[in-house]
Amino acid sequence: DTAVSQTPKYLVTQMGNDKSIKCEQNLGHDTMYWYKQDSKKFLKIMFSYNNKELIINETVPNRFSPKSPDKAHLNLHINSLELGDSAVYFCASSHSAADYGYTFGSGTRLTVV
Amino acid sequence: DQQVKQNSPSLSVQEGRISILNCDYTNSMFDYFLWYKKYPAEGPTFLISISSIKDKNEDGRFTVFLNKSAKHLSLHIVPSQPGDSAVYFCAAKQGGSEKLVFGKGMKLTVNP
Repeated sequence: DTAVSQTPKYLVTQMGNDKSIKCEQNLGHDTMYWYKQDSKKFLKIMFSYNNKELIINETVPNRFSPKSPDKAHLNLHINSLELGDSAVYFCASSHSAADYGYTFGSGTRLTVV
Repeated sequence: DQQVKQNSPSLSVQEGRISILNCDYTNSMFDYFLWYKKYPAEGPTFLISISSIKDKNEDGRFTVFLNKSAKHLSLHIVPSQPGDSAVYFCAAKQGGSEKLVFGKGMKLTVNP
């Protein structure tokens, strides 16, 4: 029973398309995150939600829009995909915003062609 | 601007020996540090953490040492096991912020 599940695991799409990545956690955690691992392997925070409220919004293009319908779900929608958006996107959750022992999903590898 | 640096991309050790993974940071406002382990095709897994008010934290075979004056932390794994082979990420948090800053990771290979 996966604690943090992301779908899809792989996503190949053309430039200009709009796509969504879904994330669900069954841990009862209050806080969820989206991280991006770029080609240089750094993991960088994109967004964080605590109980459906946006608490971290890093400098990412506004083509990226997170949505949290409830505290167990945090989806990431990307408009007008660009080549530079190709990366691995990780969803994570934690008990609270002050708990840094995150539980990560297995990642979504996005390839924009 | 790399605030958390893992300068060695890889390390190879023999089973049973000690593995020492190093991490340097530049931001003196960091007050909490963590190590995560990542296997291929999986997400990172939290391993161990340390607050800046301590200089050592131990959990079984894993010990993290923090040297604030040198802005350096290290993860010691003793004894190393083949199942420890993974990519290890160092991460840090600044006081007053809820954002974790990660290094780029270091691949550890433990040979049987």
